[in-house]
Amino acid sequence: SQQGEEDPQALSIQEGENATMNCSYKTSINNLQWYRQNSGRGLVHLILIRSNEREKHSGRLRVTLDTSKKSSSLLITASRAADTASYFCATDPMDSNYQLIWGAGTKLIIKP
Amino acid sequence: EAQVTQNPRYLITVTGKKLTVTCSQNMNHEYMSWYRQDPGLGLRQIYYSMNVEVTDKGDVPEGYKVSRKEKRNFPLILESPSPNQTSLYFCASSSQGAGHIQYFGAGTRLSVL
Repeated sequence: SQQGEEDPQALSIQEGENATMNCSYKTSINNLQWYRQNSGRGLVHLILIRSNEREKHSGRLRVTLDTSKKSSSLLITASRAADTASYFCATDPMDSNYQLIWGAGTKLIIKP
Repeated sequence: EAQVTQNPRYLITVTGKKLTVTCSQNMNHEYMSWYRQDPGLGLRQIYYSMNVEVTDKGDVPEGYKVSRKEKRNFPLILESPSPNQTSLYFCASSSQGAGHIQYFGAGTRLSVL
């Protein structure tokens, strides 16, 4: 099911700048995950944040979660050309039977 | 190496000719799923399986079949492919114990003429 919404749909920035993507969802969740997809390839898991966490870091990635607003953001600091990809959020709903709910994705382009 | 393997990676076929896309995982995951990805429509789930012999429809199951006879394999069957099934297909697997983090195959690009 597609319940998550991401914005922006597309983002183009200069190498070295920070990139921020947002994700909103509709139901109570166990966790929220971010994935990256390089053009035409399989999605790769980046980071998972649980519903009782507010912020999580992994290398140049910072994820925040606001369950009261049902929203999350992914920040990529000091962007590199290799970060060019599409980024998807996925939520694990509390009432789910293993199904993740996917956002439509943000296409990020890093200009050299 | 932990992985999800899909075959074939690319497939061109004609309308009505039955085909199977195979998917295999080596992580002993209970859950497996098939998605299709189309421009502007994001990832849409076709079918999923919570364990051996347990399958259920996702959001776009029409025209597809699946089976889960063994834990590691989850083939996707198109009995009579049509041009509107031209798409990029992904298989994924996950384990409840790991927060349902999904591991994806490399994808199968299917063209139905």
